[in-house]
Amino acid sequence: DAGVIQSPRHEVTEMGQEVTLRCKPISGHDYLFWYRQTMMRGLELLIYFNNNVPIDDSGMPEDRFSAKMPNASFSTLKIQPSEPRDSAVYFCASSLRFRGNTIYFGEGSWLTVV
Amino acid sequence: AQKVTQAQTEISVVEKEDVTLDCVYETRDTTYYLFWYKQPPSGELVFLIRRNSFDEQNEISGRYSWNFQKSTSSFNFTITASQVVDSAVYFCALRVIIQGAQKLVFGQGTRLTINP
Repeated sequence: DAGVIQSPRHEVTEMGQEVTLRCKPISGHDYLFWYRQTMMRGLELLIYFNNNVPIDDSGMPEDRFSAKMPNASFSTLKIQPSEPRDSAVYFCASSLRFRGNTIYFGEGSWLTVV
Repeated sequence: AQKVTQAQTEISVVEKEDVTLDCVYETRDTTYYLFWYKQPPSGELVFLIRRNSFDEQNEISGRYSWNFQKSTSSFNFTITASQVVDSAVYFCALRVIIQGAQKLVFGQGTRLTINP
């Protein structure tokens, strides 16, 4: 089975530009998570969806960040406008419905905002 | 508080040595799940193991073993006869429910370097 698929793997953009990160979860998984990894803050949960519905977005840093999940096989994380402090690795992850199940991560999207 | 502490920021050993990575967690939940993930230099997060709070049996998988002790709230990870390919950052994580929402709380990670 394919794992969690993220695109782009690497993106360099200029401050003020819009950035869209994409994710395809593992087929059949009910939960989708967006995490951000930085040196200063480590791995932090931004938002997660259950059955395409956002459940907890308390980790989204500010209004510049938005996430959508229009269907069970696709999600986007958008930053508009981007700022240098948004530079990080963004991970998408998915898991099955039961809370004890393993969360599987994609390979990450490495974002650099200059 | 729901928290994971990996006190060892960096560990460096010579190949073939055994090494233990410590993980201490805090939670008020009676049911919880613990995980270890590996992040090699290429950057992806690779799942290694899951353990639920009712199962304190230790686990061995090849050169990897895990020691779960509820009495000390620890879930330590040992690599036996380490190899250069084990060099990575290792994260311990705790999956809990906080205010009705699922959270996977990560430790800060331990950077393990295996020298040839």
